[in-house]
Amino acid sequence: SQQGEEDPQALSIQEGENATMNCSYKTSINNLQWYRQNSGRGLVHLILIRSNEREKHSGRLRVTLDTSKKSSSLLITASRAADTASYFCATDAGQGGKLIFGQGTELSVKP
Amino acid sequence: DTAVSQTPKYLVTQMGNDKSIKCEQNLGHDTMYWYKQDSKKFLKIMFSYNNKELIINETVPNRFSPKSPDKAHLNLHINSLELGDSAVYFCASSQLSSGIEQFFGPGTRLTVL
Repeated sequence: SQQGEEDPQALSIQEGENATMNCSYKTSINNLQWYRQNSGRGLVHLILIRSNEREKHSGRLRVTLDTSKKSSSLLITASRAADTASYFCATDAGQGGKLIFGQGTELSVKP
Repeated sequence: DTAVSQTPKYLVTQMGNDKSIKCEQNLGHDTMYWYKQDSKKFLKIMFSYNNKELIINETVPNRFSPKSPDKAHLNLHINSLELGDSAVYFCASSQLSSGIEQFFGPGTRLTVL
């Protein structure tokens, strides 16, 4: 199966709730990145966490990384309708910029 | 003042044709990439260039040929288009070749009939 598997594949929540997405990968990495893709648009970088970091925050985003379990999670707190998008994790193993993407989680935030 | 731009945004063509997609970045980045996103939203790297030099060439049919005339441009030429080439193609760039975020263009939706 592909590197960077995410779950759930789809998540539907109400505005104000928290959304958690998980990502698992198979090989050693230098860093793991999360991207957002709005429908019909390109990917936008959200946050990067290096292999020697365990947790990182950026605004309403919180990312954790457990290299022993080869997994990461993205938490979006106090979600808004504008957070509706697909979220992808991507691993960077230091192979000349090659990012390996998960299949993504489709988040729907209902107002 | 778009950071990474691609043209065209939509491309509809017949099987067997040859087409090109252009990409330009005005961020001063050294590395540029092409990705393919299929109908299930799975995103896979195809090529990357660093300062006009090819550094990643994934298992892509040789009908696909990237060309980088300078470090701000990376074009993708596709010969003898096939139905399976239908996808969204994204260009991206980054300052370094690894360990840093990538900036994506808006995508080119290619439909082969």
